[in-house]
Amino acid sequence: QQKVQQSPESLIVPEGGMASLNCTSSDRNVDYFWWYRQHSGKSPKMLMSIFSNGEKEEGRFTVHLNKASLHTSLHIRDSQPSDSALYLCAASRTGGYKVVFGSGTRLLVSP
Amino acid sequence: NAGVIQTPRHKVTGKGQEATLWCEPISGHSAVFWYRQTIVQGLEFLTYFRNQAPIDDSGMPKERFSAQMPNQSHSTLKIQSTQPQDSAVYLCASSIGTGGEQYFGPGTRLTVL
Repeated sequence: QQKVQQSPESLIVPEGGMASLNCTSSDRNVDYFWWYRQHSGKSPKMLMSIFSNGEKEEGRFTVHLNKASLHTSLHIRDSQPSDSALYLCAASRTGGYKVVFGSGTRLLVSP
Repeated sequence: NAGVIQTPRHKVTGKGQEATLWCEPISGHSAVFWYRQTIVQGLEFLTYFRNQAPIDDSGMPKERFSAQMPNQSHSTLKIQSTQPQDSAVYLCASSIGTGGEQYFGPGTRLTVL
């Protein structure tokens, strides 16, 4: 059974700072990684996805993927209080396998 | 597109009563997932359907939980003899394919007194 491990469990960064979140899959056949964001009282919503080795940037958010180590990271620069949320990492592989979610990193951006 | 619809949004039951939760997936999505989320346990996978067929129920507590998908437009999660530890937010999600982006509904907050 594939597991997705996220670290740290919680993170506090000052407004304007950089937040770095990590995620590793135990499945050597994983093909896709997803990052979901869940604000308090809301449901998770997909933030970014990455399928290829390397880096992908969207605004203040950057995702890295190293398929050899099955590791992905999410970096948020110029963090804002509105970025405070639970960030869930998920992984899946082709062939009809379901997506597996990690337990999340709770980010708090302090004004 | 209204997104994934879940009803009711809140449900309060007494210990030992039955609770039925409803989910309407996004039209055209072939996979439907049920999760349970609490502060302590986080997001827990319960079960999922593909093209209405049950595929994986490995996360379901066996004795009191059951899920069905009688047609492509809705799925139900039934909890018999509810217990206080069943109190949680139950999330339904759908996706075009099994391993693709999941779209979550707003959830049903179940409180068992």
